[in-house]
Amino acid sequence: EADIYQTPRYLVIGTGKKITLECSQTMGHDKMYWYQQDPGMELHLIHYSYGVNSTEKGDLSSESTVSRIRTEHFPLTLESARPSHTSQYLCASSGTGTVSYNEQFFGPGTRLTVL
Amino acid sequence: AQSVAQPEDQVNVAEGNPLTVKCTYSVSGNPYLFWYVQYPNRGLQFLLKYITGDNLVKGSYGFEAEFNKSQTSFHLKKPSALVSDSALYFCAVRPSTDSWGKLQFGAGTQVVVTP
Repeated sequence: EADIYQTPRYLVIGTGKKITLECSQTMGHDKMYWYQQDPGMELHLIHYSYGVNSTEKGDLSSESTVSRIRTEHFPLTLESARPSHTSQYLCASSGTGTVSYNEQFFGPGTRLTVL
Repeated sequence: AQSVAQPEDQVNVAEGNPLTVKCTYSVSGNPYLFWYVQYPNRGLQFLLKYITGDNLVKGSYGFEAEFNKSQTSFHLKKPSALVSDSALYFCAVRPSTDSWGKLQFGAGTQVVVTP
């Protein structure tokens, strides 16, 4: 079954630790996205990718980095976590080629807490 | 630049009554419009989209939305609400000229359906 996966679902970590949030999709989508969302609040785009070796920063400045070495995989890394990074991180993917009316499919999210 | 407004932070409705969640947008050119729903501690689920054609769009779980170009609105509706419809609803827009698939989300509207 085609889907989008995020691990871990919940992560509690101390300040200064390096973390990587995983996101994988099995739909063969070219485009992938990372959003940051505080509970019950709006989504902010922090990174996106149009395909392998393509990454761009989103509308909200973020200290995180991303990579896209494989089509299906779009991990997000924080080199040194801080309490201000506490949030929910949502990964999404959409479509192939230049068709722009495809909806985005979302993973279940990772709830990150930095102590 | 595109923008989305969801004027109501919360909508309260009794079970069995009609449900309306409002959305207005601003975009250059023709819009692609989307509605998503988010349940607690989950990612976003796609409900429906407007691309072109019939102004009334039918989607998942009995929801529909009406595109009104003159009022730049895309309100979500359900004839008879269920308690299980209680969730956070997001409207999103993308210009039809944007081939990169980025969405602009509204701030979200919390729907509370009481028995």
